[in-house]
Amino acid sequence: AQKITQTQPGMFVQEKEAVTLDCTYDTSDPSYGLFWYKQPSSGEMIFLIYQGSYDQQNATEGRYSLNFQKARKSANLVISASQLGDSAMYFCAMRGATGGYQKVTFGTGTKLQVIP
Amino acid sequence: GAGVSQTPSNKVTEKGKYVELRCDPISGHTALYWYRQSLGQGPEFLIYFQGTGAADDSGLPNDRFFAVRPEGSVSTLKIQRTERGDSAVYLCASSQQTGLQNNEQFFGPGTRLTVL
Repeated sequence: AQKITQTQPGMFVQEKEAVTLDCTYDTSDPSYGLFWYKQPSSGEMIFLIYQGSYDQQNATEGRYSLNFQKARKSANLVISASQLGDSAMYFCAMRGATGGYQKVTFGTGTKLQVIP
Repeated sequence: GAGVSQTPSNKVTEKGKYVELRCDPISGHTALYWYRQSLGQGPEFLIYFQGTGAADDSGLPNDRFFAVRPEGSVSTLKIQRTERGDSAVYLCASSQQTGLQNNEQFFGPGTRLTVL
């Protein structure tokens, strides 16, 4: 079974500052992928970044980077230079070989609020 | 191009009624997924289609839930004898490739179902 834990129900960050959203995971799959999604108040899930379990380097996509620590089973999202438009719910997710890389397991999310 | 669309955006029904929720995936995407997102939670996997067939329906909560994708494109999620606990946002996603770790799923805006 796969499990995602996000321990921060809510976070505040000052505009232009960096913020880290925590995510830990548990799986018995040797091969898996980790994702972060953003969900604005409109409800649509927006893909942000992906990290493969065998990737040697941490993933980066623009202002988003994923701090992947495999031994600790953590996949924290770092948002640099926060913008007001970053205010949203953020979900960490994973899928693994057991589910044929199709079934995605999501965490409970972190609500990020960017303060002007 | 057009993204994943879902209709209706909102559905209010009475306990015991039957409802259908529709999903139009991105053109050419062979894989289609349904998720359910209850208030304050992350999305939970319901069912996954590869083409016309349901490849994994292990997330359907009970036999009141059923989904079809007769022509390998549009999908309909059907809920019989609705209960108040079925109230949630139902999300649909589609993807182009399957069996790959980094295969991105594109989500629709969701249908908010309220059972009175």
